[in-house]
Amino acid sequence: EVQLVQSGAEVKKSGESLKISCKDSGYSFTSYWIAWVRQMPGKGLEWMGNIYPGDSDTRYSPSFQGQVTISADKSISTAYLQWSSLKASDTAMYYCARPSSGYDSAFDIWGQGTMVTVSS
Amino acid sequence: EIVLTQSPGTLSLSPGERATLSCRASQSVSSRYLAWYQQKPGQAPRLLIYGASRRATGIPDRFSGSGSGTDFTLTISRLEPEDFAVYYCQQYGSSPRTFGQGTKVEIK
Repeated sequence: EVQLVQSGAEVKKSGESLKISCKDSGYSFTSYWIAWVRQMPGKGLEWMGNIYPGDSDTRYSPSFQGQVTISADKSISTAYLQWSSLKASDTAMYYCARPSSGYDSAFDIWGQGTMVTVSS
Repeated sequence: EIVLTQSPGTLSLSPGERATLSCRASQSVSSRYLAWYQQKPGQAPRLLIYGASRRATGIPDRFSGSGSGTDFTLTISRLEPEDFAVYYCQQYGSSPRTFGQGTKVEIK
């Protein structure tokens, strides 16, 4: 069974750095894009960007460009979402998800989410 | 950026009733690139419909999607207790990918 397993909840202070992870199990990690999606408390879903682990092609939403870094390590089938300096407004649930077949695809597999709490 | 507007914000219905959810786009979306997701409290979203009308694997046939251009609809023919949740539409044909703000289907 294909699964995306995300790292655990994080509690950080403003200004700190953070890297959360999303590990695939059961499919060819380098053949599918991975997306990151933000959900702020009580709010809707926001697409942050995608990465193709096969060649590290990365595409960002303009809303998140320069605010986060998406990366992947294909040797361990893991994608990452990284902040260099967290803000309280980064407090949210973050999901990784897999577009089913190619960049222009719906997200058919989702990780369980990583809750990030940033205190000021 | 394509803005997706979902209506109504909240739908109050009883089990067994029919639910009709709307998703309107600010510009035309190819029907190949419109999806619907279901999200229950404390859970990740689940893909229901892709390509505007194609059910994802394992999705019951009481869920159906339709529409084209700027107007899309998700219909739940007869609500089961497990269908009370928040539903999001998404377009994935242009960047940035965007989601609607969600429709909550609650028990009346």
